[in-house]
Amino acid sequence: SQTIHQWPATLVQPVGSPLSLECTVEGTSNPNLYWYRQAAGRGLQLLFYSVGIGQISSEVPQNLSASRPQDRQFILSSKKLLLSDSGFYLCAWSVLGNYGYTFGSGTRLTVV
Amino acid sequence: KQEVTQIPAALSVPEGENLVLNCSFTDSAIYNLQWFRQDPGKGLTSLLLIQSSQREQTSGRLNASLDKSSGRSTLYIAASQPGDSATYLCAVPSGVMLTFGGGTRLMVKP
Repeated sequence: SQTIHQWPATLVQPVGSPLSLECTVEGTSNPNLYWYRQAAGRGLQLLFYSVGIGQISSEVPQNLSASRPQDRQFILSSKKLLLSDSGFYLCAWSVLGNYGYTFGSGTRLTVV
Repeated sequence: KQEVTQIPAALSVPEGENLVLNCSFTDSAIYNLQWFRQDPGKGLTSLLLIQSSQREQTSGRLNASLDKSSGRSTLYIAASQPGDSATYLCAVPSGVMLTFGGGTRLMVKP
């Protein structure tokens, strides 16, 4: 069966520090991978998506970047965090065909 | 550009009631619609996925319908329980990404 792992679950980081959030998928090949952010009391915003290794599309210009070093690994990074980067970050995957999307359990990032 | 709207934004009901959550979308050229549940501080759990060729999907006490021509979907929850309290989100694919509604925050009181 397919599973998706996200870590860490919570993170408190000072302003200006780097960030690395990791997401891995098991049980499927060549998935589309996504990073979403959910600010407090707000909706889900797509940040990045990837249709293959090394292929990253950015939906919103910002202080973050994403990388896909392996087929089932998606990493969200920042060199210097801002207060506005605080939020709930969700990784998701889908495959071609009408199978829907599956989300991870999320990472709560607080920048202080 | 696809836009998804959910009504109501919040709903509070006593335990045992049957309830309906509404979702509307502007572009009817969708190939599926997905309903999710989100508990506070948690990720999204997929509840039901309706293909464009389907009229409805059922899972336990949940039933989701889809009317593409009118751009609407409903999520019906039968005999609501306090454990159903959560935010319910509908989403439709737009290219490779999902477009979400704003969600309905449901509270079921014992």
